[in-house]
Amino acid sequence: GESVGLHLPTLSVQEGDNSIINCAYSNSASDYFIWYKQESGKGPQFIIDIRSNMDKRQGQRVTVLLNKTVKHLSLQIAATQPGDSAVYFCAEKGRGSNYKLTFGKGTLLTVNP
Amino acid sequence: NAGVMQNPRHLVRRRGQEARLRCSPMKGHSHVYWYRQLPEEGLKFMVYLQKENIIDESGMPKERFSAEFPKEGPSILRIQQVVRGDSAAYFCASSAITGGNRYNEQFFGPGTRLTVL
Repeated sequence: GESVGLHLPTLSVQEGDNSIINCAYSNSASDYFIWYKQESGKGPQFIIDIRSNMDKRQGQRVTVLLNKTVKHLSLQIAATQPGDSAVYFCAEKGRGSNYKLTFGKGTLLTVNP
Repeated sequence: NAGVMQNPRHLVRRRGQEARLRCSPMKGHSHVYWYRQLPEEGLKFMVYLQKENIIDESGMPKERFSAEFPKEGPSILRIQQVVRGDSAAYFCASSAITGGNRYNEQFFGPGTRLTVL
């Protein structure tokens, strides 16, 4: 069946290091992907998105890479800060829908000072 | 400009009681989505509503769960005769109207954490 999953459930990094969070997806028909950040007790917050016709997109301190050949998505956070500590989810949208998202299970990122 | 509002933030119910979760979308948004998040899981789509219409309820359990988005007032997710397995965080998101297959960006509320004793 369709699924979106993450390789690592937890990731611990030192402040100032770069973080990489990975995500595997199985629906080759997905045409849009989003990374969300969820802090404890809060709702998901949009970080960055990428369309399937792209392989890289950069934001402020964040970069998303998409490898459609192996159905892999990654989120890179540069110079990780304590405020980046949260659970990060990838989500995919299937082609033909403009709303239905499938979320992965999440990776807990802990930034040590 | 207030974001998506949900209340209550925490709700405790005993087995067999009813739970009502409310969601007020962002100003100008007429599309509402409900998601459920079990502990240490990702969000699972439940239902998509527009004013007075259920567009997609493919993620809703067949029994005990219902949702509405009336012409006036917030969207309501209603769970009848709650069981312990209903304990979860329920998130509401809202979006504005867009056309075609372009993604309607969803803005999430803070969620309601339901605990069933």
